[in-house]
Amino acid sequence: EVQLVQSGAEVKKPGESLRVSCKGSGYTFTAYWIGWVRQMPGKGLEWMGIIYPGDSDTRYSPSFKGQVTISADRSIDTAYLQWSSLKASDTAMYYCARQSDDYDSSGYLFVEWGQGTQVTVSS
Amino acid sequence: EIVLTQSPGTLSLSPGERATLSCRASQTVSRNYLAWYQQKPGQAPRFLIYGASGRATGIPDRFSGSGSGTDFILTISRLEPEDFAVYYCQQYGSSPPTFGPGTKVAIK
Repeated sequence: EVQLVQSGAEVKKPGESLRVSCKGSGYTFTAYWIGWVRQMPGKGLEWMGIIYPGDSDTRYSPSFKGQVTISADRSIDTAYLQWSSLKASDTAMYYCARQSDDYDSSGYLFVEWGQGTQVTVSS
Repeated sequence: EIVLTQSPGTLSLSPGERATLSCRASQTVSRNYLAWYQQKPGQAPRFLIYGASGRATGIPDRFSGSGSGTDFILTISRLEPEDFAVYYCQQYGSSPPTFGPGTKVAIK
């Protein structure tokens, strides 16, 4: 069974750095695109970007390029979403999600989802 | 970037009724790469439909997708109590992939 397990909720101050994680299990981690989706409070879904852990190929939505960093550690089957300097507007739920070749190989379509990580940025 | 518009914003229906949700794209969705997701409060989205009309594994056949080009429809033939949720469309044929703002299916 494919599982994506995300790290726990975070409360941070503006200007602080943060890395949230997403551990994959039940499949070959290096063979599937994995990415991140933002959901601000009471709002819809926003596609942020993806990484292919097999070769670290990374793609970002223009809205998020330069704002966050997506990475992966193949040795521990874990993907990361990182901020160097948080803003209050980064307060949101963040989901990691994985593609499946059964439906699409581009990486843009998310089939399996993590449980979400709530990030709150407040002074 | 392709902008997706969903209508109505909220659909108030009773269990057993038919739900028809619309998703319109600002330009043609390449290869009809249009997906639908369901999200319940406090839960992650659930993948329902791909390629405009393909049903994902394990999704009940009361859910069906249709459409092409710029106009797409998600139909729930007979609403079950567990179907009341927010539904999002997503185009994944062009970069960047984009989601619509969602339609809430509420109990009347």
